[in-house]
Amino acid sequence: GESVGLHLPTLSVQEGDNSIINCAYSNSASDYFIWYKQESGKGPQFIIDIRSNMDKRQGQRVTVLLNKTVKHLSLQIAATQPGDSAVYFCAGILSGGGADGLTFGKGTHLIIQP
Amino acid sequence: NAGVTQTPKFQVLKTGQSMTLQCAQDMNHEYMSWYRQDPGMGLRLIHYSVGAGITDQGEVPNGYNVSRSTTEDFPLRLLSAAPSQTSVYFCASSYSVASDTQYFGPGTRLTVL
Repeated sequence: GESVGLHLPTLSVQEGDNSIINCAYSNSASDYFIWYKQESGKGPQFIIDIRSNMDKRQGQRVTVLLNKTVKHLSLQIAATQPGDSAVYFCAGILSGGGADGLTFGKGTHLIIQP
Repeated sequence: NAGVTQTPKFQVLKTGQSMTLQCAQDMNHEYMSWYRQDPGMGLRLIHYSVGAGITDQGEVPNGYNVSRSTTEDFPLRLLSAAPSQTSVYFCASSYSVASDTQYFGPGTRLTVL
């Protein structure tokens, strides 16, 4: 079936460095992807999204890249700060599953080292 | 705006008990949904609604019922709780469809003994 998944369960980076979190998906019919940030004890918070007619989208300190050829997307966080420490999920709208909702990956825990 | 609110924050049930998890939004969103999150897992869609009076099943609907009598409220009912339903439950809403920006509530942590 369709799936969205992250490559690494944990990513540790130095404060001030750039972070790159990767995600892969299995359904080429996917047309919308979102990155969420979830802090401990809270609900997921929208970071940035991208539609399949785009390769790149930038926000404040974040960039999402979509490579439809290899079914891969990434979230880049510039100049990582302590407040960026959280679990990051990629999610997508995957067609064919019969359910009109988001399919989430398992998450990557971003750890910021001082 | 309060956004998406959920009650209770925590709940402990015994196997076989029933309860309702409440979800409300004050953003006049048409689309609302329920997800569950298990340790080390992403969120999985339980049920969703594209408007008042309309509900549909998601990926893991068994053991749960929903209704949507108003635009604002989307309660999730557990008719006979089972230990496998121990999880954190999140409600989300968006303007019209699943591909609009979804806003999540703070979650309800449910333990079934």
